[in-house]
Amino acid sequence: AQKVTQAQTEISVVEKEDVTLDCVYETRDTTYYLFWYKQPPSGELVFLIRRNSFDEQNEISGRYSWNFQKSTSSFNFTITASQVVDSAVYFCALRLDSGGGADGLTFGKGTHLIIQP
Amino acid sequence: SQTIHQWPATLVQPVGSPLSLECTVEGTSNPNLYWYRQAAGRGLQLLFYSVGIGQISSEVPQNLSASRPQDRQFILSSKKLLLSDSGFYLCAWSPGRDTDTQYFGPGTRLTVL
Repeated sequence: AQKVTQAQTEISVVEKEDVTLDCVYETRDTTYYLFWYKQPPSGELVFLIRRNSFDEQNEISGRYSWNFQKSTSSFNFTITASQVVDSAVYFCALRLDSGGGADGLTFGKGTHLIIQP
Repeated sequence: SQTIHQWPATLVQPVGSPLSLECTVEGTSNPNLYWYRQAAGRGLQLLFYSVGIGQISSEVPQNLSASRPQDRQFILSSKKLLLSDSGFYLCAWSPGRDTDTQYFGPGTRLTVL
């Protein structure tokens, strides 16, 4: 069975600092997808990024960047120059590829990120 | 564009009462639909998913059930609620083909007393 571990339960940094959220996954499948979601205090899960197992290219989107390394089974998320609005719970998730697109996501327990002004 | 709705947003129910949570998706057809529960410990757990009308797969045995009476409607039900059913219930959808990103609704916060 697959598993996602987010070892950092809570991280607190001062605004404008860079912060990295760790995600380690376990699966025996060779084809899978990795995701990051943001959950602000309102509760809704907001999709941030998806990566498939064949694409190890790192991605940057504004202040957000993601580092995918299959060798260490990690998919880490970095926020550069953090802002108070980045405060939220961030979830890393894994989905296997059954071919039909109906598989559910396996989530990590989330990292509560607190950005202090 | 696609939107997903859930209601009610908040619900407080006594133990032993029935439950019905509704989720609807607009702007797409034949989506895959999912119910997740987020308990107090923040972890999200898949409860049910559906690939079409009347097709429901259960991931976790419990006193909850799901139904999909229409293409873009997904309902979570219970005949008798337990204290342990309290939590934040999230509905999600994904396109039925190719793309596999799941997009989540605003959620329903259920408190069973």
